[in-house]
Amino acid sequence: ETGVTQSPTHLIKTRGQQVTLRCSSQSGHNTVSWYQQALGQGPQFIFQYYREEENGRGNFPPRFSGLQFPNYSSELNVNALELDDSALYLCASSFPGARGYDTEAFFGQGTRLTVV
Amino acid sequence: GDSVTQMEGPVTLSEEAFLTINCTYTATGYPSLFWYVQYPGEGLQLLLKATKADDKGSNKGFEATYRKETTSFHLEKGSVQVSDSAVYFCALSDRGGGADGLTFGKGTHLIIQP
Repeated sequence: ETGVTQSPTHLIKTRGQQVTLRCSSQSGHNTVSWYQQALGQGPQFIFQYYREEENGRGNFPPRFSGLQFPNYSSELNVNALELDDSALYLCASSFPGARGYDTEAFFGQGTRLTVV
Repeated sequence: GDSVTQMEGPVTLSEEAFLTINCTYTATGYPSLFWYVQYPGEGLQLLLKATKADDKGSNKGFEATYRKETTSFHLEKGSVQVSDSAVYFCALSDRGGGADGLTFGKGTHLIIQP
């Protein structure tokens, strides 16, 4: 089975621009979560998509938005980029088990976004 | 809200030394607890997990026990190797309701010297 893949691996954008990051979930997984990992920090939860709908969101402004497609792949869109948006963006896929959130989340290698 | 606190790094040890990385948490519900590892240039990999009080998670010689009374989930290994050098993250998933994702600590950078 294929793992979680993210594209691109690195990206440089100018402040004020918009960016789209992409994630292909692991085969059979219908839930995708996105995280922002600033340098030297732990990942912070942005939002989660389950069967094409957002079903959970962390403390991020509306300019962070997403989509999930019928094949369960996903996009993260960030509008009006700010310098503080520079970070590693991680995508994780999972398949909720009977107990909800106990199943393993499989992470991609991330997209390194630099805003200048 | 939920939070995870883990010991600051870097932690530098000699090969074959005993490892402990402390992790404590606060949560409103009954969380599942995880340790993830991140090797340089890579994403996160699940190392071990525990889903209820007194459960012990173990993998690759690492162990951690879910202690509800002390709200802790300390990571231990009896004899570390150079290949264990990485950043370790303690995390929780609150099953109290809602899809809130994982809450991570800031990470502990572990350096093992030959």
